[in-house]
Amino acid sequence: DAKTTQPNSMESNEEEPVHLPCNHSTISGTDYIHWYRQLPSQGPEYVIHGLTSNVNNRMASLAIAEDRKSSTLILHRATLRDAAVYYCILRDPISSGSARQLTFGSGTQLTVLP
Amino acid sequence: GAVVSQHPSWVICKSGTSVKIECRSLDFQATTMFWYRQFPKQSLMLMATSNEGSKATYEQGVEKDKFLINHASLTLSTLTVTSAHPEDSSFYICSARRDYSQETQYFGPGTRLLVL
Repeated sequence: DAKTTQPNSMESNEEEPVHLPCNHSTISGTDYIHWYRQLPSQGPEYVIHGLTSNVNNRMASLAIAEDRKSSTLILHRATLRDAAVYYCILRDPISSGSARQLTFGSGTQLTVLP
Repeated sequence: GAVVSQHPSWVICKSGTSVKIECRSLDFQATTMFWYRQFPKQSLMLMATSNEGSKATYEQGVEKDKFLINHASLTLSTLTVTSAHPEDSSFYICSARRDYSQETQYFGPGTRLLVL
C-alpha cells in the first residue's frame, strides 16, 4: 500500500500561513491525496482532497507536486482553532482492497501560538 | 457538509456488560459506514466496513463476535461491544460515505467508552 510521511509536529504563529508537508513517493496513478484533521477529543474532519491539480476550498489549499510524490496543505491564516492533528492519506477509489479505505498514519500535530 | 452523529458521546460500563453505539447520517443516505477505534495518543485504526443490508467486513485482528456491527438502514449503523473488558476502553468513531464513488468520508464526533 502507498504510504505517506509527515513531520510529527509543527508550530505556527496565529494569523500566519502554515505549510504542512506530506511525502508519498510510492503513490500510484489512481491514488487521491486526502487531508483530514482531528481536533482534540473529536472525530476527524475532512479538509481537502485532490488528484493532480492544485485545489482550493474555504478551509485550505492543496498544492500537489508535478510528480505527485509530495503535497502540501496550506492554511492561509492559522487560527487557534486550527490546532489539530493533520492527516495526509492516500486513497484509491478504484481498488477493491484496503487501498480504498482511509488508512490513518500518525499525522502532524499542529500547534498554533497566539 | 454532511453530518454524522453518534450516540452516546460517552459511556461507562462494568466489565462483562455489552454496550451499543449508534451512528447516524443525518442529512444523507450512507451506503457504506466505517467503524474506527482510537487509543490515547494513537491514530485511528479501522475496525470494520459495513454496507447497508450486508454483513460487515472486519479488519484483521478484530473479533467479529465481540464487535457486532449492524447496518440495517441507509442512515443507521450500530456497533455493539459484547462482554466488554477494560482493554476495550477506547474512543470509537464512525464515518459514512454517500455512495461507492464518493471520495469524502464524513466522521462522527466519537464515543468514549470506559470499561471498569
